[in-house]
Amino acid sequence: NAGVTQTPKFQVLKTGQSMTLQCAQDMNHNSMYWYRQDPGMGLRLIYYSASEGTTDKGEVPNGYNVSRLNKREFSLRLESAAPSQTSVYFCAISTPGQGYAGELFFGEGSRLTVL
Amino acid sequence: GNSVTQMEGPVTLSEEAFLTINCTYTATGYPSLFWYVQYPGEGLQLLLKATKADDKGSNKGFEATYRKETTSFHLEKGSVQVSDSAVYFCALRQAGTALIFGKGTTLSVSS
Repeated sequence: NAGVTQTPKFQVLKTGQSMTLQCAQDMNHNSMYWYRQDPGMGLRLIYYSASEGTTDKGEVPNGYNVSRLNKREFSLRLESAAPSQTSVYFCAISTPGQGYAGELFFGEGSRLTVL
Repeated sequence: GNSVTQMEGPVTLSEEAFLTINCTYTATGYPSLFWYVQYPGEGLQLLLKATKADDKGSNKGFEATYRKETTSFHLEKGSVQVSDSAVYFCALRQAGTALIFGKGTTLSVSS
């Protein structure tokens, strides 16, 4: 998906290890999101950032931290990974749209396995 | 709070069959409604959307109508193709909130 780049695409961690998922956009939009996707659960919002320097918790923020240091980048950090955090993580950006009808553009996902 | 409920899959169809994937929502006010599609190994992409009651979103032969009276946004296609095999997500968004997704419905189309 052009415009939203996630790294790494695959990662295996041991319980207790830390890591950071990186997301960068070149579409110059303000709003950025981190979702996790689990079988039978759909996508659940972890954190989002409406603009540079602001972040807000989503539905499942526990065990995660985020940083929005500039308009382009939004990172997701796992300080002490747990097996329950095994998932596919998606970064997304939102076009302004009219009202709240903006479209989300997703990255290709980062598959994380915690052993 | 707001929520989206969509029919559980998997849905298995033969090529050229008619498709319906049901989606209902719970929300206060007037949300915008969306269908996203996820092809194998990819991220989600917007399929169609509707922003007010009675609007019909359409794209690639898929259609969905925003029904306020039944709080529904069912996805339909008259003749599915093998290339339509994917996971389909219904979603809603209101002012001041992030997008909320249903759990997804897997569609498998065989030739």
